[in-house]
Amino acid sequence: DAGVIQSPRHEVTEMGQEVTLRCKPISGHNSLFWYRQTMMRGLELLIYFNNNVPIDDSGMPEDRFSAKMPNASFSTLKIQPSEPRDSAVYFCASSFRTGSSYEQYFGPGTRLTVT
Amino acid sequence: SQQGEEDPQALSIQEGENATMNCSYKTSINNLQWYRQNSGRGLVHLILIRSNEREKHSGRLRVTLDTSKKSSSLLITASRAADTASYFCATDDRTSGSARQLTFGSGTQLTVLP
Repeated sequence: DAGVIQSPRHEVTEMGQEVTLRCKPISGHNSLFWYRQTMMRGLELLIYFNNNVPIDDSGMPEDRFSAKMPNASFSTLKIQPSEPRDSAVYFCASSFRTGSSYEQYFGPGTRLTVT
Repeated sequence: SQQGEEDPQALSIQEGENATMNCSYKTSINNLQWYRQNSGRGLVHLILIRSNEREKHSGRLRVTLDTSKKSSSLLITASRAADTASYFCATDDRTSGSARQLTFGSGTQLTVLP
C-alpha cells in the first residue's frame, strides 16, 4: 500500500487566493482526519470524517475553511480566501476503527505558505 | 491546555544512552499512543498501550502507563542517531464517546548525538 497520499507537497500562494489541499487515505480505512501543525500551536485537529461523514469540525478555525469527503478514497481541505496566518503544515491521516483501539496513519503533509 | 503534555520539551543524549520521555494527561482514556515525527515528515505510530495495561515493549521501546497518575513514559534503550526526532503522546479520550479522535501533546524533541 502506498500509504496516505497528499498533494501538493508544497504550496505557495498570495493572500486572498483559494487553496485546495487533497488527500487519498489508505484503502479500507473508514476514518479520515485533517490536522494543522505550527510551531506556536503544535498539532491541531481541524476536522474528521467517519465513513465519509463529517463527525467533528469544531477545530476548523473559521468559515474560510471547509472540508469535503465525496467518497471513501478522496478528501479535500479548502481555504478561501487564504491569509498569511494560515501558513502551516497540513496533515491528513486515516485509520480503521475497530474495537477499542486504533492507530492513525499520517500522510507526508502539505507545507502551505501564504504571502 | 492540551490533553497530553510531554516532558521534557527537548532532550539531548549521546548515542548508546537511554532516553526517557514522559506524558501527562487529564481525562480518562481508552488508550494512549506514542508517535514519532522526523523533520519534514508526517507522524508515525510507534506503540499503543490500553488503559488496562501497565507496560508494553516493542523492540527498543518500552512504554508504561499509570492511570492513577494519568501519566505515561516512553523509554528508548540504546539510542541511535536515527532516533533523533520529535516524539508525541496521543490519548484516545474515553469521554469523547463516538468521536474517538486522538488528542496530541506538544511533543519532545530528542536529539541523539553520534
